[in-house]
Amino acid sequence: AQSVTQLDSHVSVSEGTPVLLRCNYSSSYSPSLFWYVQHPNKGLQLLLKYTSAATLVKGINGFEAEFKKSETSFHLTKPSAHMSDAAEYFCVVGDSSNTDKLIFGTGTRLQVFP
Amino acid sequence: GAGVSQSPSNKVTEKGKDVELRCDPISGHTALYWYRQSLGQGLEFLIYFQGNSAPDKSGLPSDRFSAERTGGSVSTLTIQRTQQEDSAVYLCASSTRLAWGNEQFFGPGTRLTVL
Repeated sequence: AQSVTQLDSHVSVSEGTPVLLRCNYSSSYSPSLFWYVQHPNKGLQLLLKYTSAATLVKGINGFEAEFKKSETSFHLTKPSAHMSDAAEYFCVVGDSSNTDKLIFGTGTRLQVFP
Repeated sequence: GAGVSQSPSNKVTEKGKDVELRCDPISGHTALYWYRQSLGQGLEFLIYFQGNSAPDKSGLPSDRFSAERTGGSVSTLTIQRTQQEDSAVYLCASSTRLAWGNEQFFGPGTRLTVL
């Protein structure tokens, strides 16, 4: 069975500093992995997805994530945080027994201070 | 283009009452999902519709929860005899069915409060 663990429930950074949101997954198969973002009072939006094409995945708003099979990780990074990045971020793994189902992590709340 | 819409955006009800939550998926999307997001928790899968196939109800927490999808489009999630623990944000998503790594498009959610 697939699962995903987000290692930090809260991350705080200063504007202009790097962002690292950590995610580890468990999967018996080559997984599909996603990062979604949820801004306050808004719907979930896809940031990026990994589907075995390239291990370094670039997403919207300057975010990227690297798939590391040896570490079973899919950490989300951004070189320089912006105030508008403050939101809840979810790491998600596709259920390999049913590629249509998604399994969500518990989320990481990112705060950005001026 | 229209995204996934949900109604109502907020619903306050009394314990024991029934509620219906509506989801309008993106036109042409064959897959529709319902999730529940409780305070401080991730998204919990509830039910999944794909085309004309029998729905995957494996995530429904109790028999008080049910969902329908009429004509392969609009879906209604019904919660009977609501309990306080049903209070949460209910999210709907839709997608086209691809062989791998399909993106799900989410609606804004319905915030349900059971008093």
